[in-house]
Amino acid sequence: IQLTQSPSFLSTSVGDRVTITCRASQDISTYLAWYRQEPGKAPNLLIYAASTLQTGVPSRFSGGGSGTDFTLTISSLQPEDFATYYCQQLHSYPITFGPGTRLEIK
Amino acid sequence: EVQLVESGGGLAQPGGSVTLSCAASGFTFSSYSINWVRQAPGKGLEWISYISGSGSIIYYADSVKGRITVSRDNARNSLFLQMNSLRAEDTAVYYCARETIEAPLLDVWGKGTTVTVSS
Repeated sequence: IQLTQSPSFLSTSVGDRVTITCRASQDISTYLAWYRQEPGKAPNLLIYAASTLQTGVPSRFSGGGSGTDFTLTISSLQPEDFATYYCQQLHSYPITFGPGTRLEIK
Repeated sequence: EVQLVESGGGLAQPGGSVTLSCAASGFTFSSYSINWVRQAPGKGLEWISYISGSGSIIYYADSVKGRITVSRDNARNSLFLQMNSLRAEDTAVYYCARETIEAPLLDVWGKGTTVTVSS
């Protein structure tokens, strides 16, 4: 299952609202997760089942979608959110990740 | 504290081999499946392997199948990845990541170990 993300890069500011899109090559229901990876660090799970926040993740993050089209929204960007975001499908092996969306401070 | 710590990375020769380790602590290791994910410099995440808690089920990505062997020692809370016939494109940070019991979500990651394949 192939995943695409858009945009691949976004220049934004602290406090902005941002939406990232992930599209699957086939119907994966809600078997989708989102990760944030800060520079030089391991990825961190944010959202699973398309819209469920992982424990400890701030409420400014939200996810949506089902089938083939999904979104990750950050309601008000904080400095630590300038990172790369990956979607991951958990519908079937092999696990696949999207190519990533990098958020940069404007 | 729930933790995974990778080790064994370094400089390796093309055509050579490397063995990576992943040491787990803070949870019942044998109850959890573990995945290996790698990330080439400046690139995205690439899943390469899965091993079930008992070690009886193992999956490999096509990109590495035939060149890697993953195993675990639950008595030592450790996981191993051996990669042979190394190529320049195997240069990457290698992460081990715990999979949740309910679904292939990767909820705990190690900090990674870097393998550089170069002569």
